[in-house]
Amino acid sequence: DIQMTQSPSSLSASVGDRVTITCRASQNINNYLNWYHQKPGKAPKLLIYVVSSLQSGVPSRFSGSGSGTDFTLTISSLQPEDFGTYYCQQSYTTPQLTFGGGTKVEIK
Amino acid sequence: EVQLVQSGAQVKKPGQSLKISCKGSGYSFTDYWIGWVRQMPGKGLEWMGVIYPGDSDSRNSPSFEGQVTISVDKSNNTAYLQWSSLKASDTAIYYCARLGQQSKIDYWGQGTLVTVSS
Repeated sequence: DIQMTQSPSSLSASVGDRVTITCRASQNINNYLNWYHQKPGKAPKLLIYVVSSLQSGVPSRFSGSGSGTDFTLTISSLQPEDFGTYYCQQSYTTPQLTFGGGTKVEIK
Repeated sequence: EVQLVQSGAQVKKPGQSLKISCKGSGYSFTDYWIGWVRQMPGKGLEWMGVIYPGDSDSRNSPSFEGQVTISVDKSNNTAYLQWSSLKASDTAIYYCARLGQQSKIDYWGQGTLVTVSS
């Protein structure tokens, strides 16, 4: 099984800050890496797919990068509505997927 | 408009059986994998398994093998997640999700809260 490890598990940042979340796969997953955002009490929403493609309707302050086993989600200027938990997910072994443990983002 | 609409919250006792549903609309239901995701209270997302409605090919993740059954009624555009004997540790929110192009989860159901308590 492919394991996905996110760091940090939580962070607190101010509005306007640049935020970076990392995701590491236990083996090479090529570019099959997606990112989701979940607010409390809501279903997750897709932000970025295949490492760096922005899902329709997602603000351009979100970006993704990486390759192989190491990937990054960046929020260039944190906004109040960006609070919640962010998950990476590998689809290299599709249709069996694996999620990372999540990164909880709090606004200072 | 693509929608996945799940059945309502359930409260059950340990040992009881349960089947929850996920009805798709607004797209060709038989052309996309439907997966199930567990979220235990205060925890992260876990991929439970998946089914292809076109031919009913279903696959459970190793952690859920033998624990749940995933099925589909393509005549009714509905996928199901079933337990034969619930445990307290099955208490969670369960989401269904559609795998779109490039295996991204592009649509989610609203979630079904299952509470198992004596």
